[in-house]
Amino acid sequence: GIQVEQSPPDLILQEGANSTLRCNFSDSVNNLQWFHQNPWGQLINLFYIPSGTKQNGRLSATTVATERYSLLYISSSQTTDSGVYFCAARDDTGKLIFGQGTTLQVKP
Amino acid sequence: DAGVTQSPTHLIKTRGQHVTLRCSPISGHKSVSWYQQVLGQGPQFIFQYYEKEERGRGNFPDRFSARQFPNYSSELNVNALLLGDSALYLCASSLAQGLYEQYFGPGTRLTVT
Repeated sequence: GIQVEQSPPDLILQEGANSTLRCNFSDSVNNLQWFHQNPWGQLINLFYIPSGTKQNGRLSATTVATERYSLLYISSSQTTDSGVYFCAARDDTGKLIFGQGTTLQVKP
Repeated sequence: DAGVTQSPTHLIKTRGQHVTLRCSPISGHKSVSWYQQVLGQGPQFIFQYYEKEERGRGNFPDRFSARQFPNYSSELNVNALLLGDSALYLCASSLAQGLYEQYFGPGTRLTVT
């Protein structure tokens, strides 16, 4: 089955810094989602991005499906950006296969 | 519009007991999926239901079962609880099966002692 790998596993930033999170997937996928999990466990949808680039405020994402990776960019990071970021690839049946996550800590 | 809702929020059970978790999808969504997230890992797929039929099952034992009701809400049942079943159980809804964005509820945190 599809395998999803995220890097780095942990990231510590100073407020105001920029960062790039990477998601590699082992096989062709039908779609990809990025989530932010807050400290209470809620998964918040960031991007639904099969290919191309999308932007939402300080966040943007790029998926290059032919090369089997996706990137999440966070600019001018804030302490509220802290948490775990997951990417999840969708297989042919529609189920999501999650990576292990990147834990981001933004220090004031 | 209300998002995905789950109940209860927290639950403590003893080994060997049975538990039922509930999920209500976003209005208009007909597909519900269940995921288990143990501490420090990404969510793992358990079941997907669409139009009241099971459409996918992850690598979980038969102690796990689920169903979807005519109003598209869903229940996840776990029998003969083990310590290893302690986890955050997440429900996700989507418009239909297949290539649709999934939206997650707040989860039910199950602790088995």
